[in-house]
Amino acid sequence: GEDVEQSLFLSVREGDSSVINCTYTDSSSTYLYWYKQEPGAGLQLLTYIFSNMDMKQDQRLTVLLNKKDKHLSLRIADTQTGDSAIYFCAERKNQGGKLIFGQGTELSVKP
Amino acid sequence: GAVVSQHPSWVICKSGTSVKIECRSLDFQATTMFWYRQFPKQSLMLMATSNEGSKATYEQGVEKDKFLINHASLTLSTLTVTSAHPEDSSFYICSATGTGHTEAFFGQGTRLTVV
Repeated sequence: GEDVEQSLFLSVREGDSSVINCTYTDSSSTYLYWYKQEPGAGLQLLTYIFSNMDMKQDQRLTVLLNKKDKHLSLRIADTQTGDSAIYFCAERKNQGGKLIFGQGTELSVKP
Repeated sequence: GAVVSQHPSWVICKSGTSVKIECRSLDFQATTMFWYRQFPKQSLMLMATSNEGSKATYEQGVEKDKFLINHASLTLSTLTVTSAHPEDSSFYICSATGTGHTEAFFGQGTRLTVV
């Protein structure tokens, strides 16, 4: 079946690192994504990783994938107040296929 | 990244009327478009998938006669909420992907309020 789960809330202090976790059940997922949603807005793609990769780093963002445990994480280094938003992980089986989203993690960054 | 424009950003309509939401890919050919619905503080729920020139594929529980989807060209898909009721009030978001794209690009969303 298809199921993606995330913790609902995370609160950090400005300057700390944030780690948002996600688990998924479909082992045939090929692409895994992290999206950011600010209030009243659409989704902004932050980064994605292929299932044959373990890690991907892009500036302040690091994605770790444990395919055995079907666990995906997003680490944001030096978290800023502007990073406050809802973060969604999503999986997809193939190009052009539908995205299955987690519930979203609301990240709150306190000064 | 590629740009997807959704219009209108927000709309208020009376119960019983129909509302059309447009989703346009501005700089690429969108072979597939997706329509999602999002309730406050909740995740995105996929409503339907549409491929250009074909009938949309609706997810289980989504009424195809109520949520009409048209994907007549490679740059435009429309969602029409027919005979809208207050329970249809929600945030509707489209996304689009094209040949060779690994990711899907999202529109800004449309806030529909039915009064």
